Amino acid sequence: DTAVSQTPKYLVTQMGNDKSIKCEQNLGHDTMYWYKQDSKKFLKIMFSYNNKELIINETVPNRFSPKSPDKAHLNLHINSLELGDSAVYFCASSQGDSRTDTQYFGPGTRLTVL
Amino acid sequence: DQQVKQNSPSLSVQEGRISILNCDYTNSMFDYFLWYKKYPAEGPTFLISISSIKDKNEDGRFTVFLNKSAKHLSLHIVPSQPGDSAVYFCAASANTGTASKLTFGTGTRLQVTL
Repeated sequence: DTAVSQTPKYLVTQMGNDKSIKCEQNLGHDTMYWYKQDSKKFLKIMFSYNNKELIINETVPNRFSPKSPDKAHLNLHINSLELGDSAVYFCASSQGDSRTDTQYFGPGTRLTVL
Repeated sequence: DQQVKQNSPSLSVQEGRISILNCDYTNSMFDYFLWYKKYPAEGPTFLISISSIKDKNEDGRFTVFLNKSAKHLSLHIVPSQPGDSAVYFCAASANTGTASKLTFGTGTRLQVTL
């Protein structure tokens, strides 16, 4: 009964391909996030959704498109993958969008672009 | 611009001793701080937080100290246990009136030896 799950765990693909990463939370939370951890170990927020509405959209290339079909799911679609997209992507969720709401992270998806 | 810095990439401490992990920040708007712990192949998990109206917060073996004038916080673990071996991330947020956005440091790897 994993609280925040991501699929796949590992993803290896060629440059130029399009891929998706899925995230699901069973905590009943209203807010979900996508973070990227690059090779220098910086963990940076990319997007956040609250009740399926986009509330945070950092300076991310528009090749990245989040989609929230319902409150429990937040998927990340990446078009035309580039070498620099190689990173670990973490999904997270929190009860609300207040900064005092604890964020619960998924196990991460390691994306390798060849 | 690295607004949250953890200058020690690693730390080794003997079991039973105190572990002190440090974090510095540059953004004076930050007023809520958190520590997350991360095991390999898992997502970060929330450990402890502190608001800028306090200078200390304690939870069992974990204590976070905040020095606002120095823009510095530290996490003390007493006594350290082998299970504490993990990467510890410091994070901060500002009260901007918008959705929660955490800025993370690059982490400190703690190794607790027997």
